[in-house]
Amino acid sequence: DTGVSQDPRHKITKRGQNVTFRCDPISEHNRLYWYRQTLGQGPEFLTYFQNEAQLEKSRLLSDRFSAERPKGSFSTLEIQRTEQGDSAMYLCASSFGQGNQPQHFGDGTRLSIL
Amino acid sequence: QQQVKQSPQSLIVQKGGISIINCAYENTAFDYFPWYQQFPGKGPALLIAIRPDVSEKKEGRFTISFNKSAKQFSLHIMDSQPGDSATYFCAASRDYGQNFVFGPGTRLSVLP
Repeated sequence: DTGVSQDPRHKITKRGQNVTFRCDPISEHNRLYWYRQTLGQGPEFLTYFQNEAQLEKSRLLSDRFSAERPKGSFSTLEIQRTEQGDSAMYLCASSFGQGNQPQHFGDGTRLSIL
Repeated sequence: QQQVKQSPQSLIVQKGGISIINCAYENTAFDYFPWYQQFPGKGPALLIAIRPDVSEKKEGRFTISFNKSAKQFSLHIMDSQPGDSATYFCAASRDYGQNFVFGPGTRLSVLP
């Protein structure tokens, strides 16, 4: 049983560049979540998919952020025109079933904006 | 109303002692309360979770106590070990809103 996989683990880029992260959830998990975590803080919810449908987006998700889950399997999170404030750990989680279920997290992608 | 408060911010405990972390929430619609453990460079890992129909849940050395009327819940780590040294997050969620709201975390250090 492989866990949630995220790629890349680290990304360093210059301000203004676009970046894309990938998340592969646990197979058969129908729900996929993206969170952002800054140093010394808890994860903050960004967006959530059930299968391929994006059902909820946080106000934190500005129009520079877009997420997709085209076939209900892996997901991508793209940040356009990156800013210094985007530096954070981006975490993906997945869960299975209906109602409240445990979310299983990947080890994240750490984004550093120069 | 979406906020989850957590205390203390940091905690130092001797090996074999009891670690206690407290959380409080405002939104009475929350109905699922997990605790996560996070090591540096790793994602959060689920430790234990509780629903508001029970007041206590125990798994091994970890126990959640839940007080619905006070809107508070706590994590107790019995016989704390140096390997328990990590950051602990409480969280809360509602059934029809699937995102978790996390507390700010407690950094636990267990001295050998």
